[in-house]
Amino acid sequence: RKEVEQDPGPFNVPEGATVAFNCTYSNSASQSFFWYRQDCRKEPKLLMSVYSSGNEDGRFTAQLNRASQYISLLIRDSKLSDSATYLCVVNVPNDYKLSFGAGTTVTVRA
Amino acid sequence: DAMVIQNPRYQVTQFGKPVTLSCSQTLNHNVMYWYQQKSSQAPKLLFHYYDKDFNNEADTPDNFQSRRPNTSFCFLDIRSPGLGDAAMYLCATSRDSGERETQYFGPGTRLLVL
Repeated sequence: RKEVEQDPGPFNVPEGATVAFNCTYSNSASQSFFWYRQDCRKEPKLLMSVYSSGNEDGRFTAQLNRASQYISLLIRDSKLSDSATYLCVVNVPNDYKLSFGAGTTVTVRA
Repeated sequence: DAMVIQNPRYQVTQFGKPVTLSCSQTLNHNVMYWYQQKSSQAPKLLFHYYDKDFNNEADTPDNFQSRRPNTSFCFLDIRSPGLGDAAMYLCATSRDSGERETQYFGPGTRLLVL
């Protein structure tokens, strides 16, 4: 089983729509969770960190469900500029490392 | 105001010809990482340095080596590139090694092997 699994998508949504997707992780001892955004052929950039039950930043909301070992990302009022791949990233307990999902692709259309 | 800088952004090499990729950072972070990312895949950690301490991932091929001559710079050497080594190589840094530390990525070097 992969350490971090994501639905690859793509999620094709119209501007203004709400889109949400999940990420599951295998290590119940993980404590830190991150959503990174990666544009085509560019580097990952941190979107938000999640350490407790969730986090909200403007139109973006992350929810953590420790019992079921998943993190979700919800994007409200989608903009064309939200089109990207969203990487779910989970810390490896007692290590420097991060485990990356392969990403969920979101395409927002006009 | 780039904080993690990678050079070159694009590198073309020939099969078997050694290549060196460069990463520098202005953040004064202790930890530097090298990742390999292929199309539609997650970044794969190759190795990392905590200060001068080198940590190699178990499945990183011997073909890949790294050097960190000082805090600011880290190099990835590919001794004999194969066609399968064509990928985006990402350098990242983090302030320290704690579980809540964020990793900051450079823009990457895209390697093409002919």
